[in-house]
Amino acid sequence: NAGVTQTPKFRILKIGQSMTLQCTQDMNHNYMYWYRQDPGMGLKLIYYSVGAGITDKGEVPNGYNVSRSTTEDFPLRLELAAPSQTSVYFCASSTGSLEAFFGQGTRLTVV
Amino acid sequence: KQEVTQIPAALSVPEGENLVLNCSFTDSAIYNLQWFRQDPGKGLTSLLLIQSSQREQTSGRLNASLDKSSGRSTLYIAASQPGDSATYLCAVRPFAAGNKLTFGGGTRVLVKP
Repeated sequence: NAGVTQTPKFRILKIGQSMTLQCTQDMNHNYMYWYRQDPGMGLKLIYYSVGAGITDKGEVPNGYNVSRSTTEDFPLRLELAAPSQTSVYFCASSTGSLEAFFGQGTRLTVV
Repeated sequence: KQEVTQIPAALSVPEGENLVLNCSFTDSAIYNLQWFRQDPGKGLTSLLLIQSSQREQTSGRLNASLDKSSGRSTLYIAASQPGDSATYLCAVRPFAAGNKLTFGGGTRVLVKP
C-alpha cells in the first residue's frame, strides 16, 4: 500500500529558482491538500483540491501554484523561491469527511 | 474562522503516568476531529478519528473524547512509555467548502524512563 507519496524528500534551492513538489496517491481520493509546517508550529494549508480540475487557495497561497489534472496527482509549484518558503511541505488526501492520510513530507531549504 | 488550540505546547511525564492532551476549537460545525502523531523529522501518522456524532474513540492504550458543544477534545494515553515521546496534533474538519483540516499547534510530549 503506497498511500500518499511525495518527492523529493529533501531539496535545497537558491533564491529565485523554481521547482515542483510532486504528490501522488493511489487511494482514489477526491480531496487533496498541500500544507506547510514551519519549525515548532502546526500545519498551514496552502492549496487544496476537491477533484480533478478543481483547486482553491488555502491560508497561505502566495508564492505557490497547483494543478490537478488527474485524481492521483497534485503537484505544488514554487515559481520564485524565497527564504520565507523554507519549510517542510506535506501533501494529504482524503475521501472528504473521512480520515486524511499524509505523505512523509518534503524538507525544502531556500538559500 | 475556525481556530484550533492545543495547550500545553510541551509536556514531560515519568514513564507509567497517564497522558492527557487537550484540543479546543472555536466552531462546533465540524464533520470530525482527527488526532495525529508526528515523530521528529517525520510525517504525520493518524491515531484516531472521531466523527461528530461520536463521543469517544479507542485504540489500544489511546482514548479520544469529543465534546462538540464545548469545542473540546481530549486524547488520553494510558501507562505512558518512552516510545510515546512525540508531537501530537489535533485537526478538525469543518463543514465549510473543501473539507479542509484545520490544525492546532501541537503538544510536544516527552516520556522519561
